[in-house]
Amino acid sequence: GAGVSQSPSNKVTEKGKDVELRCDPISGHTALYWYRQSLGQGLEFLIYFQGNSAPDKSGLPSDRFSAERTGGSVSTLTIQRTQQEDSAVYLCASSSPTLSGRAEGEQFFGPGTRLTVL
Amino acid sequence: QKEVEQNSGPLSVPEGAIASLNCTYSDRGSQSFFWYRQYSGKSPELIMFIYSNGDKEDGRFTAQLNKASQYVSLLIRDSQPSDSATYLCAVPRGYSTLTFGKGTMLLVSP
Repeated sequence: GAGVSQSPSNKVTEKGKDVELRCDPISGHTALYWYRQSLGQGLEFLIYFQGNSAPDKSGLPSDRFSAERTGGSVSTLTIQRTQQEDSAVYLCASSSPTLSGRAEGEQFFGPGTRLTVL
Repeated sequence: QKEVEQNSGPLSVPEGAIASLNCTYSDRGSQSFFWYRQYSGKSPELIMFIYSNGDKEDGRFTAQLNKASQYVSLLIRDSQPSDSATYLCAVPRGYSTLTFGKGTMLLVSP
C-alpha cells in the first residue's frame, strides 16, 4: 500500500514569508507526528495528533509554528514569518496504535520536505 | 543530561566485521527501545525494537538492553557496505511519540 507522502519535497522561501507543508499519512493510521531535522542533528519532535484527541503541541519551538489535521487524515504544518533558523528537513510520520506485527506504534516516515529560508 | 545520547561517530568498520552501536538513556522508566536506520538523504526506518532485558536477534542484527545500566546497543554482524548509514536510537516520550538520539554514523568499507 501507499506510504506516508509529503509535499512539497523542496521549498525555498524568503525570510518573513509563510509556508505550508503537507502530510498525507498511511490510510487507517490514527497517529500523526511532525519532526524536523537540521543538518547533523537528530529528529526534533514538533507535534503529535492522535485521533480526535487534543494534539500534543509541546515540541513547537515558537508561536510561529502551528499545525492542523483535518478529518483525522491529512495534516498541514504552517510556519509564519519564516526565519533562517527554520531551515531544516520537516518529516512527518504516522502509526497505528494496534500491534503491527513488528512494533506496537511503529512510526512510518514520509520522505520529508526540505525547507530553505533565504 | 540529554534524554538519549549516542556517539556521533563516524564508526568505521571493514566489511565482514561486527559493528557495535551504543545508546544511553536517562529515563529509568523507559520500557521500550527502538533502532532506526537513516540512509543519507532518506527518511528513518525501523530496524529493531526491544522491550526486555537481554538480547534480541533478527538476522544480522542483535539489540542488547541493560536497564540497570540504562544502555541499549545494536550489533551488526558481517557488516556490509550497504549498512553504511546513520543509526538512531529512540525511546518513548510519554504515551505518544519518541525521543531520538542524534544518531551514530556507520561507515563500512569494502
